[in-house]
Amino acid sequence: EAQVTQNPRYLITVTGKKLTVTCSQNMNHEYMSWYRQDPGLGLRQIYYSMNVEVTDKGDVPEGYKVSRKEKRNFPLILESPSPNQTSLYFCASSFAGGYNEQFFGPGTRLTVL
Amino acid sequence: GQQVMQIPQYQHVQEGEDFTTYCNSSTTLSNIQWYKQRPGGHPVFLIQLVKSGEVKKQKRLTFQFGEAKKNSSLHITATQTTDVGTYFCAGLMSGANSKLTFGKGITLSVRP
Repeated sequence: EAQVTQNPRYLITVTGKKLTVTCSQNMNHEYMSWYRQDPGLGLRQIYYSMNVEVTDKGDVPEGYKVSRKEKRNFPLILESPSPNQTSLYFCASSFAGGYNEQFFGPGTRLTVL
Repeated sequence: GQQVMQIPQYQHVQEGEDFTTYCNSSTTLSNIQWYKQRPGGHPVFLIQLVKSGEVKKQKRLTFQFGEAKKNSSLHITATQTTDVGTYFCAGLMSGANSKLTFGKGITLSVRP
């Protein structure tokens, strides 16, 4: 089944404790991206990757890191989480960025205390 | 910056009523996509429009791309409770390096 998976689905952590949210897709998509969703603010792009080893900042990249060492995986790293990073996070993938349908993962709800 | 606007953010309708929402861009778009997110779920792709003036239908949903490729509409005929959710438009700005810009979405509630 074609899908995007994210782990964990729910996470409660404390300020400053490094964490990684994994994202994996099995559709051989070149383009992957991370979004955060906050009430009243819609979906805001954090980072995106057009291919292996090619990443770029989205609209709200501060406090986040990403890497794209393999085509299928695109982890999101919070080196020192802060409460303002409490949010719902979605990973998405597509064949060719905004030219194609985005497939979204199920989401990761992160709470930073 | 370049924006895709969806106003209002919430709309409530009586089941059976029609519903229309709009998406407006400050710049010309290469394409526009629409997504639906059910409560507690993730955004799911509905449609993509590419051509100026394009109209596409999916059962009770009608999508239109403006002639100037700066706006789009979603019309739902005879809403049902299954239409509840948040509808996002997302535009690809011309020359934008593949980056989609999402609107803030409109959350539709339907009174049975």
